[in-house]
Amino acid sequence: AQSVTQPDIHITVSEGASLELRCNYSYGATPYLFWYVQSPGQGLQLLLKYFSGDTLVQGIKGFEAEFKRSQSSFNLRKPSVHWSDAAEYFCAAATAGTALIFGKGTTLSVSS
Amino acid sequence: DAGVIQSPRHEVTEMGQEVTLRCKPISGHNSLFWYRQTMMRGLELLIYFNNNVPIDDSGMPEDRFSAKMPNASFSTLKIQPSEPRDSAVYFCASSSGLAVSYEQYFGPGTRLTVT
Repeated sequence: AQSVTQPDIHITVSEGASLELRCNYSYGATPYLFWYVQSPGQGLQLLLKYFSGDTLVQGIKGFEAEFKRSQSSFNLRKPSVHWSDAAEYFCAAATAGTALIFGKGTTLSVSS
Repeated sequence: DAGVIQSPRHEVTEMGQEVTLRCKPISGHNSLFWYRQTMMRGLELLIYFNNNVPIDDSGMPEDRFSAKMPNASFSTLKIQPSEPRDSAVYFCASSSGLAVSYEQYFGPGTRLTVT
């Protein structure tokens, strides 16, 4: 069955430190890949997406993600975290004609 | 642009009562999605519409759930009768099309508590 796994439920990072959130997918073929962010009391906002081409994708708010086919991964990174980045982050995947499947999410806390 | 509008933002009801959640998609978007978010199951797609027509309702958990989209600017998700296990945050999202390349814009959600 198709699935998206985010191994880390909760991560705490110091402000100014780098961040990497992990995402693994299980699909028969390489799916389209997405990262969303959800701030408290808000809906999800798309950070970035990967369809094909360059495996390093740039998104909004200074985030980037790298697609690694050999590892079935699509990890989200940010070189320097700000307190406003504290939120829940969701990885999602879909193939053409199928609905988005979301991971369970990773909650990011930022310490000062 | 007002974004996707959902009402109410919070709903508390007693088991057995009917609950209606409302969604106004972004003007010009022709695809609308209803999701449910719980701690146990995460974010699940319940049903989606294209041009006001339900395309796939396989995610609707039971016959107690129903959704309608009478026009391009309004959709409802109804639960009747409601049960405590329906407690969750329900999101509505809209997009310019069904293809995965179209970004889905999410509303702020309705937090439903069934006691």
